[in-house]
Amino acid sequence: NAGVTQTPKFRVLKTGQSMTLLCAQDMNHEYMYWYRQDPGMGLRLIHYSVGEGTTAKGEVPDGYNVSRLKKQNFLLGLESAAPSQTSVYFCASSYSLEDTQYFGPGTRLTVL
Amino acid sequence: GENVEQHPSTLSVQEGDSAVIKCTYSDSASNYFPWYKQELGKRPQLIIDIRSNVGEKKDQRIAVTLNKTAKHFSLHITETQPEDSAVYFCAASDYKLSFGAGTTVTVRA
Repeated sequence: NAGVTQTPKFRVLKTGQSMTLLCAQDMNHEYMYWYRQDPGMGLRLIHYSVGEGTTAKGEVPDGYNVSRLKKQNFLLGLESAAPSQTSVYFCASSYSLEDTQYFGPGTRLTVL
Repeated sequence: GENVEQHPSTLSVQEGDSAVIKCTYSDSASNYFPWYKQELGKRPQLIIDIRSNVGEKKDQRIAVTLNKTAKHFSLHITETQPEDSAVYFCAASDYKLSFGAGTTVTVRA
């Protein structure tokens, strides 16, 4: 039982490049989330999903897209990376909205 | 949307003393209030949570109190130990979870 996993762990991009972050969970959770963490700003919700095939915008969705084609996977895409997207990205999953969120190990992204 | 404010941003305590972190929230519809602990370089992990129909909850050295009328909730850590040093986040949930900015707790030996 791996819980929540994320790939890659680290990535460096140049401005304008694109990339996809992959989140996978093996707990059969319906809800999945993408957060970014910046110093002094806590965890901010980018997008979330309440089930396979659904996605919704969070607090800071601009510049990101997501897809949930399979229940166990939640992908976060950056189409044209900007330095302001330098951050640590965490994926999480939960059984319901008012339940424990289990976080992945994080992806540290640097955009030059 | 929900706005969660957390104080203090940093907290230094002597080992064995108590630590208290306070949070306020804006949306009276919020019903779920978890606390997460994040050690340096690690992922956040839930340490305790409370729902709106409960005023206080305790788990060993950790307790959380909730005042729905005043829209604030607090985390209390008693008999602090070095392993309690971490960043602590409060959160409130209406239809999604909103996190506070975090409190860096340092326990001095």
